[in-house]
Order: sequence, then structure tokens, then C-alpha cells
Amino acid sequence: AIQLTQSPSSLSASVGDRVTITCRASQGISSALAWYQQKPGKAPKLLIYDASSLESGVPSRFSGSGSGTDFTLTISSLQPEDFATYYCQQFNSYPRTFGQGTKVEIK
Amino acid sequence: QVQLQESGPGLVKPSETLSLTCAVSGYSISSGYYWGWIRQPPGKGLEWIGSIYHSGSTYYNPSLKSRVTISVDTSKNQFSLKLSSVTAADTAVYYCARSVLSYYFDYWGQGTLVTVSS
Repeated sequence: AIQLTQSPSSLSASVGDRVTITCRASQGISSALAWYQQKPGKAPKLLIYDASSLESGVPSRFSGSGSGTDFTLTISSLQPEDFATYYCQQFNSYPRTFGQGTKVEIK
Repeated sequence: QVQLQESGPGLVKPSETLSLTCAVSGYSISSGYYWGWIRQPPGKGLEWIGSIYHSGSTYYNPSLKSRVTISVDTSKNQFSLKLSSVTAADTAVYYCARSVLSYYFDYWGQGTLVTVSS
């Protein structure tokens, strides 16, 4: 199975900060990567698919980039509602796998 | 608007079978897409269990394959999960979700906590 390693595991940031989360795959996955946001007690929400395509209705401050083994999720200006845990997920091969998550906390 | 709702027992005894159903509204399962199950142990990350197409074609996580069955009932517009021989390690919030081409998941249910305990 393809392993996805996210870094950092957690971070503290202030409203307005630019935040970058990295997801590294154990082998090349082309652009077959999605990003999700999960708030406590809620289901994950799709943000980005195909590594860089923004899901409909998701604010443009979220962006994704990368291909092969290295990917990033960037929040250009962190908003209060963005404090959550973020997960990457690969769909290049089965089984579908997720990263361990990155928790974004308020500084 | 697509909505998914999980239902089933919140408590299952060790060695028994966990059974959950996901009712879909706002979209006909027969129209396409894959439909999947994902779980999340308390305080931990997400694990894909498996996915099914309306035709019945399935993909399972090899780590659970020997214990998992996912089925679909297009007449009721719902799909189901059965996980046999459960242990405490199967305690988790179980989510059902719609999967685009069996790739990523664009609509999710709210999740249901299943605890395995005697």
C-alpha cells in the first residue's frame, strides 16, 4: 500500500497567516491526490482533487500543488473557520490511503 | 442536494458482525458513482474500508478484505457494510461517502460511532 506522510503533524498559526502543509507519497502517484478538511465531530470535507483542482464552493484561499511524490496544500490567508485537521488521500492505486493528518491550531 | 445517512447498532459484541446501512437521498445510486465506507478510530486518522458500484462491483482494503462485505440495494437507494469477527480495534466512527470514479470522496454522511465491547 502507498504510504502518505504529512508534515507537520500539527502547527500553530494566526489569522491572516499563510499556511503550507506537505504530503509525501511512498511512491509516485502522478496527480492522484485529494485534500480534506475535518472539524471536530464532523465528517471530512473535500477541498482539492487531482492535486490542484478546487472543489466547487471551496474558498479560493485554498490551493494545492505537486505531482509524483510531493504535494502541498496552501491556505493563503488563514481564517478563523480554517482551524481544523487536514488530510491528504491518494487514489493512484488500491487500497486508497490517507495521510495521518495535520492539525492547524490557533496561535 | 446529495445526502447520506448511516444507520445501525452503536454497540457490537466482540466476535460478532457489525452491520451498517447508508441511505442516499438527492441522487439515484443507479445513476453512477461509486459508494464507499471509511472509518476513523477515536482520536485517529481515516481508513478506507471499501467501495462499491451500483452494478455490485467492489473494491476492498486488503487489510480488512477477509472480514468485509459491501452490498448495494438500488431499489432502496442504499448500500451496506458488514464487518465480521469484530474486536475492540474495530471501534470507530464509520462514514459512508460518494466516490467520484472510485477516486476521492465528495459527499459524506455525518458518521456513526460503533463501539465493540461486551
